[in-house]
Amino acid sequence: DGGITQSPKYLFRKEGQNVTLSCEQNLNHDAMYWYRQDPGQGLRLIYYSQIVNDFQKGDIAEGYSVSREKKESFPLTVTSAQKNPTAFYLCASSISSVTANTGELFFGEGSRLTVL
Amino acid sequence: AQSVTQLDSHVSVSEGTPVLLRCNYSSSYSPSLFWYVQHPNKGLQLLLKYTSAATLVKGINGFEAEFKKSETSFHLTKPSAHMSDAAEYFCVVSDRPSNTGKLIFGQGTTLQVKP
Repeated sequence: DGGITQSPKYLFRKEGQNVTLSCEQNLNHDAMYWYRQDPGQGLRLIYYSQIVNDFQKGDIAEGYSVSREKKESFPLTVTSAQKNPTAFYLCASSISSVTANTGELFFGEGSRLTVL
Repeated sequence: AQSVTQLDSHVSVSEGTPVLLRCNYSSSYSPSLFWYVQHPNKGLQLLLKYTSAATLVKGINGFEAEFKKSETSFHLTKPSAHMSDAAEYFCVVSDRPSNTGKLIFGQGTTLQVKP
């Protein structure tokens, strides 16, 4: 079955530690996205990538980093510089950034990060 | 810049009664609008979309939405709620015309369905 796989589903970390969230897709999509979800705030875009080896900052990129070395993979690192990292993180993909404008985003099931 | 406002953070209905989730948008361009649904601790799923074709859009699970330009609204409706409809719903507008693929999400409406 084609889809997006995020791991781990739940993650705990101590303050000051970096953590990497995995996102893998087998849909052959060019574009991939990372969103952060906090209660009552909807989804906010962290980073997006329209093509392999290219990515752009979204609205709340500070304290995060990404890479896009392979088409199917778009890992997100939450660094110690992120002041409030506890949140639900969602990865998404679309055939291209143009088709994303038609709403055709496919989402993973999310990773819940808790900082202790 | 585009934006969306979901007018209710929480809506409660009884099973079998109609559902109305309200959304207003702001856009300098002809917008593309969507509704997504999210069940607890899950990803989001596209319910329906408006992309300048018919103003009444039908989606999955019996939901539909009507694009009203004069009111800048895109309300989501369903004639009869089912227990399985309990979830969070997001109204979304696309970030056009930059074609970055960025979607702008409303703050969400939690739908509660009572037996």
